[in-house]
Parts: sequence; C-alpha cells; structure tokens
Amino acid sequence: DARVTQTPRDKVTEMGQEVTMRCQPILGHNTVFWYRQTMMQGLELLAYFRNRAPLDDSGMPKDRFSAEMPDATLATLKIQPSEPRDSAVYFCASGSNPLAEIYNEQFFGPGTRLTVL
Amino acid sequence: AQSVTQPDIHITVSEGASLELRCNYSYGATPYLFWYVQSPGQGLQLLLKYFSGDTLVQGIKGFEAEFKRSQSSFNLRKPSVHWSDAAEYFCAVGARGGGNKLTFGTGTQLKVEL
Repeated sequence: DARVTQTPRDKVTEMGQEVTMRCQPILGHNTVFWYRQTMMQGLELLAYFRNRAPLDDSGMPKDRFSAEMPDATLATLKIQPSEPRDSAVYFCASGSNPLAEIYNEQFFGPGTRLTVL
Repeated sequence: AQSVTQPDIHITVSEGASLELRCNYSYGATPYLFWYVQSPGQGLQLLLKYFSGDTLVQGIKGFEAEFKRSQSSFNLRKPSVHWSDAAEYFCAVGARGGGNKLTFGTGTQLKVEL
C-alpha cells in the first residue's frame, strides 16, 4: 500500500530554532507539493516540484522558508528561524504528472504538526 | 486565477439524512474539479473528481457530485449519511495546463448527529 510519509509527525520548538520537515513521496511520483494548514488561512500551497525542479514557490515566505528535493525519494521543507506564526500543520502531497496538462490525483501524507513557542 | 468558495463552514446532519455540500468555483474555462475529505489528524483523501464528460460523477464512500457549468458549481451529495462521514470536506479546482496544481476552498466541517 503506497503512501506518502512525513517526519516528524509532531514537532515542538522554540522561536528562532531551525525546523526541518521531511517527506517521502510515493515511489514513481514526479510531482511534490507542500501545503500549510491553519484555522485562519485554511490550506495554502507553499511550494510545488515537478521532476525535482521547483515550479512554484510563490506561496512561501522566502526569507525564512526553503524547500528542496535532494533526490526523487526525499523532499524537505526548512524554516530558519522559526516564529510562533509558523505554527500549523504542514502537508506533503505527491502525484504522477507525466505531462503538465494531465491532471492526476494528489496523495497526501499525514502531516507534520508544528508548534513554535 | 482560479478560486473556490465553500459557503458553509459548518454543517450538521442526522445520521441517515441526505447531505449536500456546496462548492462554487471561478475559472475562465472548464476546470478540473475535486472533492477531498480530511478526517481528524489525517491527510486529505480524494473522494471524486471531474475532468470532462458526464457531469454527474461517482466517488468513493457513496458520494457523488454534479458539475453545473451554468451555476459554476460542483456540489457534493450523499443520499444517506453515516456517522463515520463526520470530517472536513474540501473542494478544489485545477486549471488546465496547470500541471497538477490545485486551489482549495476553505472547507466545510460536517458533524453527524446520531
């Protein structure tokens, strides 16, 4: 049963600390998405990769957030330095998207619940 | 740019009653439309999707949705709700040529009374 995995599931940290969240997309999927979910803003797209190349990170605060795909099996989202307003659930999703005009389902991971004190 | 509106933040229905969750989209052409469900503490799971063709689409767990171009709507329905359907439901729209990128609505929280 192929699934998107995310680590850690829960993270509590203090303001100013670096936070790294990891995502393992489903094997063979070539698109990876990072979302942030909060009560106030709902589900926001932070970054989007296709074939490991970043296509859209317009939703991500550039001064403190960074997203990378060092290889096809790992995507990372880093916050440095973290702030209390970054507290949210961060979801990773992956999909198979052979062509840009073809839509396929996004499979979501269980999320990382981040609390910044 | 496309957008999605889910006008109902919370909905409460009795078990066994019918359900309709509303979704309105804004997009200049025929969009790709999706409904996802999120159970507490879980990620989102796809219920159904509309790409083209028959405007009434069937999904998992007994859900269906109807695409109405004239109303820019894609409402989700279920004839008889089960207590296990209590969750948050998200409507999403994708733009053609947008490469799998989706815009999500703010969600509708469904409560089921026994």
